[in-house]
Amino acid sequence: GESVGLHLPTLSVQEGDNSIINCAYSNSASDYFIWYKQESGKGPQFIIDIRSNMDKRQGQRVTVLLNKTVKHLSLQIAATQPGDSAVYFCAENRRGDNAGNMLTFGGGTRLMVKP
Amino acid sequence: DSGVTQTPKHLITATGQRVTLRCSPRSGDLSVYWYQQSLDQGLQFLIQYYNGEERAKGNILERFSAQQFPDLHSELNLSSLELGDSALYFCASSVAPAPLIGSSYEQYFGPGTRLTVT
Repeated sequence: GESVGLHLPTLSVQEGDNSIINCAYSNSASDYFIWYKQESGKGPQFIIDIRSNMDKRQGQRVTVLLNKTVKHLSLQIAATQPGDSAVYFCAENRRGDNAGNMLTFGGGTRLMVKP
Repeated sequence: DSGVTQTPKHLITATGQRVTLRCSPRSGDLSVYWYQQSLDQGLQFLIQYYNGEERAKGNILERFSAQQFPDLHSELNLSSLELGDSALYFCASSVAPAPLIGSSYEQYFGPGTRLTVT
């Protein structure tokens, strides 16, 4: 499959452990944040989102934490499974000039799950 | 399968040429987005359309243009191609054009078109 990035930071975890992937965002005016998962050869897949008026949101096995004070976002994956191996991107949403919106993506983190 | 389709899957062309990438959004989605993913630039937003109108522009070169047709499919036109334009081009779609309260802004990505310029 295609390589998403040759020099991505990599997080290697044991199957069954919890994973934490971190992301720093740049714009304090961003109002919405999303985590995406990208497997080799596929397009990004939505995992979980959070609005700027929240600091925590939970999904199935995933939790997103937002710290607006330090402009930091994290994704926690509980009981990591081999199928979680992928590149994970955070994205921040900003309003454009014409009521449009643009997502700015972080550089990505490669998660490798060891069986 | 996200429900977003993109054609072609692969495209190989020479420098100076022009190509058109096509995207069909998920049924019911009015907003379409184009992204470029390259090894050195990562995933970058290019442009957004909503119901046929351009809504937001990102780092899209003047050699690139896009449009959304009345049937909501979209095309991305890349002209005067350069080696550096080689990348994966993704289309995404969403119901709402923005993260509005009560509306889903989840963007569903297609499988991408891999463009190789030689």
